[in-house]
Amino acid sequence: AQSVTQPDIHITVSEGASLELRCNYSYGATPYLFWYVQSPGQGLQLLLKYFSGDTLVQGIKGFEAEFKRSQSSFNLRKPSVHWSDAAEYFCAVGATGGNTPLVFGKGTRLSVIA
Amino acid sequence: DAGVTQSPTHLIKTRGQQVTLRCSPKSGHDTVSWYQQALGQGPQFIFQYYEEEERQRGNFPDRFSGHQFPNYSSELNVNALLLGDSALYLCASSLGPGASYGYTFGSGTRLTVV
Repeated sequence: AQSVTQPDIHITVSEGASLELRCNYSYGATPYLFWYVQSPGQGLQLLLKYFSGDTLVQGIKGFEAEFKRSQSSFNLRKPSVHWSDAAEYFCAVGATGGNTPLVFGKGTRLSVIA
Repeated sequence: DAGVTQSPTHLIKTRGQQVTLRCSPKSGHDTVSWYQQALGQGPQFIFQYYEEEERQRGNFPDRFSGHQFPNYSSELNVNALLLGDSALYLCASSLGPGASYGYTFGSGTRLTVV
């Protein structure tokens, strides 16, 4: 079964600084990978997804993520963080083929300071 | 194009009571998955419904049950509520039971058990 590890529980960055959130997955084949964002008390919004092909994927709100098979990672990046990016970020993995559901990491809380 | 709609948004119940949560999937989606998100945690998979049948189930007791209707909407029922059932319950819809197209999430139902 697939699993996801987000090593950082909480990250604080200054507004305008770059951001990288880490995600490591465990799965025997090439997975489907997702990043979701959750504002307080809200549901999850999809930022971007990787299915196949180009390992650098672009998402909404200026986010991008890079799939690195050798490192089993799918890190989320943004070159310049805005105060409105403060939220909880979840990485999720899905199995290719079959009908297994998405499995989520425990999340990384992002705080943005002036 | 309506997204995923969940009702109610908030709910307070007493230990031992029963609760029903409702979900209408995004237009064009035929599969509904339910997740439980405890405070400070990532979403945990409860079960998934496709073609009016439970297709996958996570590690949740039988007190958690569900249903899917012919119009693809779904209900989550929890019997004999425990304090530990307090959480945000998220409904996600998708086209088919696999992860191929990703999931669209609703805003959730916040359940508080007192």
